[in-house]
Amino acid sequence: AQSVAQPEDQVNVAEGNPLTVKCTYSVSGNPYLFWYVQYPNRGLQFLLKYITGDNLVKGSYGFEAEFNKSQTSFHLKKPSALVSDSALYFCAVRDITYKYIFGTGTRLKVLA
Amino acid sequence: DGGITQSPKYLFRKEGQNVTLSCEQNLNHDAMYWYRQDPGQGLRLIYYSQIVNDFQKGDIAEGYSVSREKKESFPLTVTSAQKNPTAFYLCASSMTGTQPQHFGDGTRLSIL
Repeated sequence: AQSVAQPEDQVNVAEGNPLTVKCTYSVSGNPYLFWYVQYPNRGLQFLLKYITGDNLVKGSYGFEAEFNKSQTSFHLKKPSALVSDSALYFCAVRDITYKYIFGTGTRLKVLA
Repeated sequence: DGGITQSPKYLFRKEGQNVTLSCEQNLNHDAMYWYRQDPGQGLRLIYYSQIVNDFQKGDIAEGYSVSREKKESFPLTVTSAQKNPTAFYLCASSMTGTQPQHFGDGTRLSIL
């Protein structure tokens, strides 16, 4: 069965520092991986996706993610965090029936 | 602007009552989804539909029902059989292929 794990419930980082939000996955076949962000009382917004190709994927708002097949990871990164990046982040994998499996979410807190 | 509209934003249910949450999209997407979000549990799939007049149960379908009579509409009914309905409900849609899901802004359901 396909699954996604986000091992950290919360990540704290100082403004201006690099941030990493971790995600590992378990899939059969090629993984289709996504990152989303959620602000309070809102729906999820798409940040970036990995389908195939380059292992470093660039997305919205300066975010990027590194796909590592050997470690089955898809960590979200940003070189310099902003206070406005504080939100709930979800990693997801899509299976061949177009079901999306989401991680439990990681709350990112950027401290001024 | 294209998007997904969920209504109402807040909904209250009395004991023994069925309530229906609306989800409409004008993105011409084939697939639509309903998720339930509880704190610390991420998103859990209730139902999804890939084409009109067809839908599949997700991981937590008990106590819920859906219909897909039109491509743009996918209403969710929370029945009285759902004993713990208090949650944030999110509707999403997507094309087939490798495109990401688009989300509405959710309906928060509470018990009176």
